[in-house]
Amino acid sequence: QVQLQESGPGLVKPSETLSLTCAVSGYSINSGYSWGWIRQPPGKGLEWIGNFHHSGTTYYSPSLEFRVTISLDRSKNQFSLKLTSVTAADTAVYYCARSNGLGGYVYWGQGTLVTVSS
Amino acid sequence: DNQMTQSPSTLSASVGDRVTITCRATQSLSSWLAWYQHKPGKAPKLLIYKASSLESGVPSRFSGSASGTEFTLTISSLQTDDFATYYCQQCKSELCTFGQGTKLDIK
Repeated sequence: QVQLQESGPGLVKPSETLSLTCAVSGYSINSGYSWGWIRQPPGKGLEWIGNFHHSGTTYYSPSLEFRVTISLDRSKNQFSLKLTSVTAADTAVYYCARSNGLGGYVYWGQGTLVTVSS
Repeated sequence: DNQMTQSPSTLSASVGDRVTITCRATQSLSSWLAWYQHKPGKAPKLLIYKASSLESGVPSRFSGSASGTEFTLTISSLQTDDFATYYCQQCKSELCTFGQGTKLDIK
């Protein structure tokens, strides 16, 4: 059973860096598929942040590409998200997910709320 | 990037109704279109991938279709558990975007 679990600070100050980790169990991240991050601001829809493709290439939303980094820690079987220079607009529930290799995300974490506030 | 226009934004229906939700892409997607069901406090659930392939374990009352750049999710006979928000998502060339969402509520 593939499971994903997000972790990280629930409160980040404006202009600082948001850092989240997604721990994966039941599947080795070295075995393939893409690993992504998606967020949902309060009262709004889902927003795709980016993917770490199994080829080693990263893909980011054009609206976030200058502030976001997704990386893998293969030794710990986890991947992470870093978003720099955050503002209140970055307040959201952040989800990590694994693709099915056919354009959909089939496994998701439960989501973690990150609030940007001083 | 490939924008997705999803409609309607809200939809009121009754148990047993047949409903359709549409997403229109600005560019060809070559069927790289997925549909999700999302309930408050839970992770989104994959329903359909590659426009018309039913994810394992998803009831057969859910179906997806495509015609050019227009994609449709159909629920053939609404059940109580189906009242939720639905999103389309395209992932062409590994760059993804979600539609705006359709909130399906009880009439």
